[in-house]
Amino acid sequence: RKEVEQDPGPFNVPEGATVAFNCTYSNSASQSFFWYRQDCRKEPKLLMSVYSSGNEDGRFTAQLNRASQYISLLIRDSKLSDSATYLCVVNSPGGSYIPTFGRGTSLIVHP
Amino acid sequence: NAGVMQNPRHLVRRRGQEARLRCSPMKGHSHVYWYRQLPEEGLKFMVYLQKENIIDESGMPKERFSAEFPKEGPSILRIQQVVRGDSAAYFCASSPQNLQDTEAFFGQGTRLTVV
Repeated sequence: RKEVEQDPGPFNVPEGATVAFNCTYSNSASQSFFWYRQDCRKEPKLLMSVYSSGNEDGRFTAQLNRASQYISLLIRDSKLSDSATYLCVVNSPGGSYIPTFGRGTSLIVHP
Repeated sequence: NAGVMQNPRHLVRRRGQEARLRCSPMKGHSHVYWYRQLPEEGLKFMVYLQKENIIDESGMPKERFSAEFPKEGPSILRIQQVVRGDSAAYFCASSPQNLQDTEAFFGQGTRLTVV
């Protein structure tokens, strides 16, 4: 079983749609969780941290379910500029905390 | 405050040559992480270093690959006798502390092409 799993997609949605991504992780001792965004051939950039109580940043909402070991990202009112790959990242202990990446979920927002 | 700087951005090497990739962390960051991303794949952890120490190299191939982070200067990822399968994007990230509760910041990557 992979440490961090994501549906690779692609998710193909029209502008204005609401779309949700899930991510599961295997290490129950993981401490911190993030969503990153990666545009084609560029570096990953932090989108938002994920807190146990859930958190929102504009059109983006992240949730963490520790019992089920999954993380979600909800994007409301999708924009063309949201088209990218969304990476689930889990900082898992193994002597030291290493960011472990999911393979990413591809989102394509079309007019 | 400059971000994480990687150079070169693009590197072309012939099979059998050596590749040296450099990463200067953000100011005040003493933790460096190297990742490799193959085409159409996710980022795979390679090595985690602090100044003058390799903390975790569990993702490094056993042969041809090495990394260092000297007291002065950038972190270096070195690939000896490159092969076509080494062609990938190599990303470096840095953080000011252990990543228990914080995120890492990424450089723009070095794209290595082996011909």
